[in-house]
Amino acid sequence: AQKVTQAQTEISVVEKEDVTLDCVYETRDTTYYLFWYKQPPSGELVFLIRRNSFDEQNEISGRYSWNFQKSTSSFNFTITASQVVDSAVYFCALSEARVPLLETSGSRLTFGEGTQLTVNP
Amino acid sequence: EADIYQTPRYLVIGTGKKITLECSQTMGHDKMYWYQQDPGMELHLIHYSYGVNSTEKGDLSSESTVSRIRTEHFPLTLESARPSHTSQYLCRAAAGGRLTHSDEQFFGPGTRLTVL
Repeated sequence: AQKVTQAQTEISVVEKEDVTLDCVYETRDTTYYLFWYKQPPSGELVFLIRRNSFDEQNEISGRYSWNFQKSTSSFNFTITASQVVDSAVYFCALSEARVPLLETSGSRLTFGEGTQLTVNP
Repeated sequence: EADIYQTPRYLVIGTGKKITLECSQTMGHDKMYWYQQDPGMELHLIHYSYGVNSTEKGDLSSESTVSRIRTEHFPLTLESARPSHTSQYLCRAAAGGRLTHSDEQFFGPGTRLTVL
């Protein structure tokens, strides 16, 4: 069975601080995908990133960066120089990919509990 | 930009009413999913479909039912709504087949249901 754990229920920072959101996952699959989503107060889910289990390179996109450590089953998300608009609930998710060449990331997603990030001015 | 729509966005109804939450996508994706999310909580998969005439129950037991008569539509129905059904319902569409760089994960905007 797959499981995603986001141990930080709530994080509060002051604007311009860096903040890291933790995500630890469990899966028996050797091939899988990891995701991060942002859910602002309006409720929609905004896709941020997808990584596959073959690629452990860290990724940076503007103020966002992701650290994938397969050895510790972690996929942490860092926001640099946080802004008030970053305030949201952030979800980490995991999906299986049993046949890597044929199956897309369109498989079932297992979500973590979410981390409520509040960035104060 | 995602082309997946959910209607209504907000719904307040009385107990015992029958309701249908609509989910439509114009991307032609085969796979569609319904998630239920209580306020401030994680998302739970309640139904999914891998194509027309294919529907399966998800990880969380739900009294709702779904149908997939057309690729673009995946409606969710509650025959008799109860206060315990109060939640946000999110629809998702994803492509089947080979992974591409543009294969993002599209969620609809959600329907916030309140049953009084």
